[in-house]
Amino acid sequence: DTEVTQTPKHLVMGMTNKKSLKCEQHMGHRAMYWYKQKAKKPPELMFVYSYEKLSINESVPSRFSPECPNSSLLNLHLHALQPEDSALYLCASSQGTGRSPLHFGNGTRLTVT
Amino acid sequence: QQQVKQSPQSLIVQKGGIPIINCAYENTAFDYFPWYQQFPGKGPALLIAIRPDVSEKKEGRFTISFNKSAKQFSLHIMDSQPGDSATYFCAASAHYQLIWGAGTKLIIKP
Repeated sequence: DTEVTQTPKHLVMGMTNKKSLKCEQHMGHRAMYWYKQKAKKPPELMFVYSYEKLSINESVPSRFSPECPNSSLLNLHLHALQPEDSALYLCASSQGTGRSPLHFGNGTRLTVT
Repeated sequence: QQQVKQSPQSLIVQKGGIPIINCAYENTAFDYFPWYQQFPGKGPALLIAIRPDVSEKKEGRFTISFNKSAKQFSLHIMDSQPGDSATYFCAASAHYQLIWGAGTKLIIKP
């Protein structure tokens, strides 16, 4: 079992819906990440939080809105998504940034209809 | 210059064989080279990692070979098993940024 827990495992939403993805880790890691992964592609970095502050936004459209309520939790709020946003959304955490191993959750499989 | 080129895209090996996956990079600022293993329906998991001051690192049946002058590194899996069938990603890091290779889908035939 992974030490990074993501919910829900699967999500189907319409283009006008608002939904949230949740991620939790209890390893005491201070960096948390959102990645997007399309089929047969590597993960693509979206956001990095370091010590609960947003440190990197990889030019992600505003229809994706991250939130880090505390050092263990990370949310990704979704609104007015497009069908091309359908993907596996992965949360990860690490002790620090850069050279620290990433610990991934098993992701949320998102389908936008 | 920020790319990591990974080959082959897919690989089929008989059980007990030694699959080899290769990666190449250009940016000499990269100083951390991890390999991640991903099974279908799961997130990637760190398999093994190496720094450029080491030419080889082994963890169990997995070995990374690193050639700093050629800017290449590779993953070897000794005595491969069907359970090793997965997608393998190499990556390289400098500072905060982790650059991923395109991935290799490995199938180990029984």
